[in-house]
Amino acid sequence: EVQLVESGGGLVQPGGSLKISCAAAGFNFSASAIHWVRQASGKGPEWVGRVRSKNKNFATDYLESVKGRFTLSRDDSEKKAFLQMSRLKIEDTAVYYCVCIRDDGAHWGRGTMVTVSS
Amino acid sequence: DIVMTQSPDSLAVSLGERATITCKSSQTLLDSSNRKKYLAWYQQRPGQPPKLLIYWTSSRQSGVPDRFSGSASGTDFTLTITGLQAEDAAVYYCQQYFDIPLTFGGGTQVEI
Repeated sequence: EVQLVESGGGLVQPGGSLKISCAAAGFNFSASAIHWVRQASGKGPEWVGRVRSKNKNFATDYLESVKGRFTLSRDDSEKKAFLQMSRLKIEDTAVYYCVCIRDDGAHWGRGTMVTVSS
Repeated sequence: DIVMTQSPDSLAVSLGERATITCKSSQTLLDSSNRKKYLAWYQQRPGQPPKLLIYWTSSRQSGVPDRFSGSASGTDFTLTITGLQAEDAAVYYCQQYFDIPLTFGGGTQVEI
């Protein structure tokens, strides 16, 4: 069974930094791209970015509004993906999900809450 | 970016009746190499993550009741819920995963 578990969310001040993690199990993590999707309260989901597999040179892609502030990475030996967020803004407040899209559909974690507030 | 236009914004349906939600993509979601359309449907209840219902336009996720079905005509996609149950009250989203950025429809609130 595919499992994705996010962790590391919390309260951070505007301009601050936070790193959240996604622990994976139950599938070939190293061969899979990992997406991050966020959802602000009362809003629809919004794609944040993607980190591809080693075969794709760990290439990353980002939502325009987070480019230069957010960095995606992964550790295949630990089966973990990471989202490093810096220069955080109030509008980055959301639940952050990691998502793996496979041939049997998209698998989501339960999310971790990131609150940017003074 | 591929724009997903979902309608209606909200829908009130009686128990046992049918609900139909549509989503239109601004570009094709068809991969000619595998003949698959990269469209998924999600259900989201308050305080919960989105739950995958349908992928590849019409494939039902394991465990999803067969009253949920998906179909397509060109770039128009439909989620149909037949025999609506009380637990189907939720927000429903379509999502394209043909290209990045992944994009979602605006959501449809289904009320019983």
